[in-house]
Amino acid sequence: DSGVTQTPKHLITATGQRVTLRCSPRSGDLSVYWYQQSLDQGLQFLIQYYNGEERAKGNILERFSAQQFPDLHSELNLSSLELGDSALYFCASSVRSLANTGELFFGEGSRLTVL
Amino acid sequence: GQQLNQSPQSMFIQEGEDVSMNCTSSSIFNTWLWYKQDPGEGPVLLIALYKAGELTSNGRLTAQFGITRKDSFLNISASIPSDVGIYFCAGQNYGGSQGNLIFGKGTKLSVKP
Repeated sequence: DSGVTQTPKHLITATGQRVTLRCSPRSGDLSVYWYQQSLDQGLQFLIQYYNGEERAKGNILERFSAQQFPDLHSELNLSSLELGDSALYFCASSVRSLANTGELFFGEGSRLTVL
Repeated sequence: GQQLNQSPQSMFIQEGEDVSMNCTSSSIFNTWLWYKQDPGEGPVLLIALYKAGELTSNGRLTAQFGITRKDSFLNISASIPSDVGIYFCAGQNYGGSQGNLIFGKGTKLSVKP
């Protein structure tokens, strides 16, 4: 158990819909990262927050947005969903902003299926 | 952006065999890391390498940070069934927006008892 909690574990929705994925980082970790894992693209970095502020942005679509709340939990919002958005979405946390040790603690992921 | 080429994509080996996989990049990294993902789980860090040329072991696992800082390899000795999973290399640079990890596409390992 990494200590990172993600909900929901599974989500099935239709194209055009909007979903919210939630992540609670490990106790004491200030930084939250979102990754998308699809079969052909591996783990793609989406966005990072540190203590409530956006710190780094990766290949995140404009239809996607995220935020980190004062209690440090984070939400990833995916809107106008398309079939290609079907993937596993991982949240990870680390103590520091730049995860200097490279050690990220990953949750179990939220599997999104868009029909 | 930066990309990592990880090979092989998949391996199917007999229990007890040694395994070798590697990762290369067109650009340099300050840190190389190896993660393992078990089915239905998130990736877990196996080994982190911080200096060019560094060789680090973690039980039956050995990883090296290439001298050019553009590659790394992971060896698993005497494989066992619980080694099954997907192994990811990851590179990291410090500073600005480069602090996030760039992952390879993974090597899927299957072990036949």
